[in-house]
Amino acid sequence: AQSVSQHNHHVILSEAASLELGCNYSYGGTVNLFWYVQYPGQHLQLLLKYFSGDPLVKGIKGFEAEFIKSKFSFNLRKPSVQWSDTAEYFCAVSEYGNKLVFGAGTILRVKS
Amino acid sequence: SQTIHQWPATLVQPVGSPLSLECTVEGTSNPNLYWYRQAAGRGLQLLFYSVGIGQISSEVPQNLSASRPQDRQFILSSKKLLLSDSGFYLCAWTGTSTGYTFGSGTRLTVV
Repeated sequence: AQSVSQHNHHVILSEAASLELGCNYSYGGTVNLFWYVQYPGQHLQLLLKYFSGDPLVKGIKGFEAEFIKSKFSFNLRKPSVQWSDTAEYFCAVSEYGNKLVFGAGTILRVKS
Repeated sequence: SQTIHQWPATLVQPVGSPLSLECTVEGTSNPNLYWYRQAAGRGLQLLFYSVGIGQISSEVPQNLSASRPQDRQFILSSKKLLLSDSGFYLCAWTGTSTGYTFGSGTRLTVV
């Protein structure tokens, strides 16, 4: 079955620390890849997406993600986190542009 | 511009009562429509999706059903709610050249 795995459910970092959230998927074909963020009490927002081209994708708020096809991975990174990055982060994958399947989410808490 | 409306924002229902959540999309035609649920401590789970009027695909067997009576209307229903139906329900749509857009969500608490 198609699946998306996020390796850590809870991550706690201090401000200015670097962030990397892992995401792996099990699809074998062409995929579109997404990272969404949900800040406390707010809606889901799109951070970044990959459809094709440069596998290093830049998103909003200083986030980036790298698509490594051979590893079926799409890890999210940020060089220096801020307290305002405290949120839940979801990796999502759409095969052939169809339905979006989400990972279980990673709750990030940034200590000020 | 395209917008998506989802209501109500919050709902508290007793066990055994019926449910109807509505989602409508404006500014586009023939969207793909989706219902997701986010249960406490868990990720987003795809419940149903629809590629056209009357066409519903169910991803997870459960106490819920979905219908699409009009092109831009997607309804999530239940005849008898269970405690385990509590969660945050999100409607979303995609078009031929657009990514996913999510509604504001409905927080359902079954008591």
